[in-house]
Amino acid sequence: GENVEQHPSTLSVQEGDSAVIKCTYSDSASNYFPWYKQELGKGPQLIIDIRSNVGEKKDQRIAVTLNKTAKHFSLHITETQPEDSAVYFCAASRPNDYKLSFGAGTTVTVRA
Amino acid sequence: DAGVIQSPRHEVTEMGQEVTLRCKPISGHNSLFWYRQTMMRGLELLIYFNNNVPIDDSGMPEDRFSAKMPNASFSTLKIQPSEPRDSAVYFCASSGGSANTGELFFGEGSRLTVL
Repeated sequence: GENVEQHPSTLSVQEGDSAVIKCTYSDSASNYFPWYKQELGKGPQLIIDIRSNVGEKKDQRIAVTLNKTAKHFSLHITETQPEDSAVYFCAASRPNDYKLSFGAGTTVTVRA
Repeated sequence: DAGVIQSPRHEVTEMGQEVTLRCKPISGHNSLFWYRQTMMRGLELLIYFNNNVPIDDSGMPEDRFSAKMPNASFSTLKIQPSEPRDSAVYFCASSGGSANTGELFFGEGSRLTVL
């Protein structure tokens, strides 16, 4: 089955700096790569996703890049703010597959 | 819409007791998932329902765990008897509907502590 590895496990950044989280996946058939944000005491919430027909997608301060050849994808958060502090999960799935394989998560702390 | 609603939010019970967790998915969604989250194992898919039918229960840890979806607006996850290693946060999520993008909508979770 799919194996998704996520790094780093924790990340501390100064407010205003950028944060980058990287994930690798094992199944070359995977074509859907979402990112979820989980705030304390809440369930994960989708913040951005990318499909394999594009290499990059951006939404305001958040961007995701995908390298299908190397089987890795990354989340970039620019101009970080305290409200960006949370646990971030990457995930991957095959076409028309309900099953998402999640990474282990990255705890991001934005220092004021 | 109120989102996915789970109850109880917190449950503390003693080993051997029966635990029932409840979930109301978003109206119109036809897929429902139960996940378990622990520090050691992260987010694990326990069971997946489509149109109220269990499609994949390969993630259910053992026979002590069971899940039902009697109708499109309600699901339960039951643990009987409970054990301390079942302590975790259990999430219900739903997806689907006419604007299905594959996004999972998670509830706020039920934190279970088994003493």
